Amino acid sequence: DAGITQSPRHKVTETGTPVTLRCHQTENHRYMYWYRQDPGHGLRLIHYSYGVKDTDKGEVSDGYSVSRSKTEDFLLTLESATSSQTSVYFCAISDWGTTSNTQYFGPGTRLTVL
Amino acid sequence: TQLLEQSPQFLSIQEGENLTVYCNSSSVFSSLQWYRQEPGEGPVLLVTVVTGGEVKKLKRLTFQFGDARKDSSLHITAAQPGDTGLYLCAGAGLSGNQFYFGTGTSLTVIP
Repeated sequence: DAGITQSPRHKVTETGTPVTLRCHQTENHRYMYWYRQDPGHGLRLIHYSYGVKDTDKGEVSDGYSVSRSKTEDFLLTLESATSSQTSVYFCAISDWGTTSNTQYFGPGTRLTVL
Repeated sequence: TQLLEQSPQFLSIQEGENLTVYCNSSSVFSSLQWYRQEPGEGPVLLVTVVTGGEVKKLKRLTFQFGDARKDSSLHITAAQPGDTGLYLCAGAGLSGNQFYFGTGTSLTVIP
C-alpha cells in the first residue's frame, strides 16, 4: 500500500467554523490531490499540487484553499464550513511523469458540517 | 465535466456468475486505472493499463484497454461475495496532470 495517511479520519463541526484536513505521504511523490466524494457525483477534484508551494484549482474549488509547505504534507482548509461541504474527502498522490501515471488514495476523512 | 461513462451503474449477481463493466470516453488517455472501493475506505488500485490493446489479468479479473486508449473493460469470472464493492475507472489525461473519474459501478455478489 502507498504510504498515505489522512487526519482526522472523522470530524463534526458547525457551520461557519474553519476546518483543516491534513494529508501526509511517505512516497516522495511530487503530485498530491484533494477530492470529495458525494453520492451521485463520484470523485470530484478540489485542488491539486505539483510541488512545494505549487498548487492549482480543480473542478470544485470554491470555499476551499490548500497549502503545501513540504513535499510530504498537503493541507486542505475550509475557511468557513458550510453544510454543503459535508462529504468524504480523499487525498491522493501520483507518480505522474512515470510510465504508469497512477494515483494512490488515502483512507479518507468523513466531515459533517452541522 | 464527466469524461468517463461507466456502465452499468448497479449490478447484482449470484455467486459464480460472470460480469463485465465498461468504461467509455471520447477522449484519449495516457493510462487508465481501475479501483475497488469498499464502504468507509479509500479506493484501492487494482490495475493500471498503459498501452492500447493491453490486457492484464489479476486472478479472476481481466482488464482490457481499448486500442485507441479511449475505453476499457473489467471482466470478472466466477464472481464471489468478496468482489462486492464500488468499481471506479480513472483516466490520466494526455496533457496536464489530472485524472478523470467515472461515476462507478456498484457490484453486489449474492452468496
